[in-house]
Amino acid sequence: SQLAEENSWALSVHEGESVTVNCSYKTSITALQWYRQKSGKGPAQLILIRSNEREKRNGRLRATLDTSSQSSSLSITATRCEDTAVYFCATLNTGNYKYVFGAGTRLKVIA
Amino acid sequence: EAAVTQSPRNKVTVTGGNVTLSCRQTNSHNYMYWYRQDTGHGLRLIHYSYGAGNLQIGDVPDGYKATRTTQEDFFLLLELASPSQTSLYFCASSDYNERLFFGHGTKLSVL
Repeated sequence: SQLAEENSWALSVHEGESVTVNCSYKTSITALQWYRQKSGKGPAQLILIRSNEREKRNGRLRATLDTSSQSSSLSITATRCEDTAVYFCATLNTGNYKYVFGAGTRLKVIA
Repeated sequence: EAAVTQSPRNKVTVTGGNVTLSCRQTNSHNYMYWYRQDTGHGLRLIHYSYGAGNLQIGDVPDGYKATRTTQEDFFLLLELASPSQTSLYFCASSDYNERLFFGHGTKLSVL
């Protein structure tokens, strides 16, 4: 079963708009990570947010974490065409060092 | 930036064929991982390792073997390839900083 999953399969927005990708997870975590995968490339980490943090920012990116509802969100403001990618949330089990990924949300930013 | 190199980038084989996918990381990370990526399933963990000679079973290990020969090198072996193993395969490495570094992927087609 998926231990982490995004809540939308695909989204599209126009350039300049804001967008939010949501994620839910099913296990106790020490941190949740967001990755972005551009076409033809491997995923790359965007943000790591720890269980004692409620919000984390990285430029135009903002991640939130709600441990009570076991959910997280990644918001992108002022989107650009180059934000077109698949966005994954992932959790790490620090006991066995397994990373588990959600199925991903495909974001398309239209010029 | 951590470097993870996979080879080959593309591979075509026939059902029952023998395939070896290679991965090398050059940052002395302890952990290395093999994932497969399929539409609708995101990234699923096949095998992983925390050092030379070590192998840990992932979430979808059936039909795959793996071997970690050195700190740098991790191989994924398909000894009797089947069409269900047609996929995009990613290798990744990590240390205790909770960040995965991915290679560019190997596209495998089993005819």
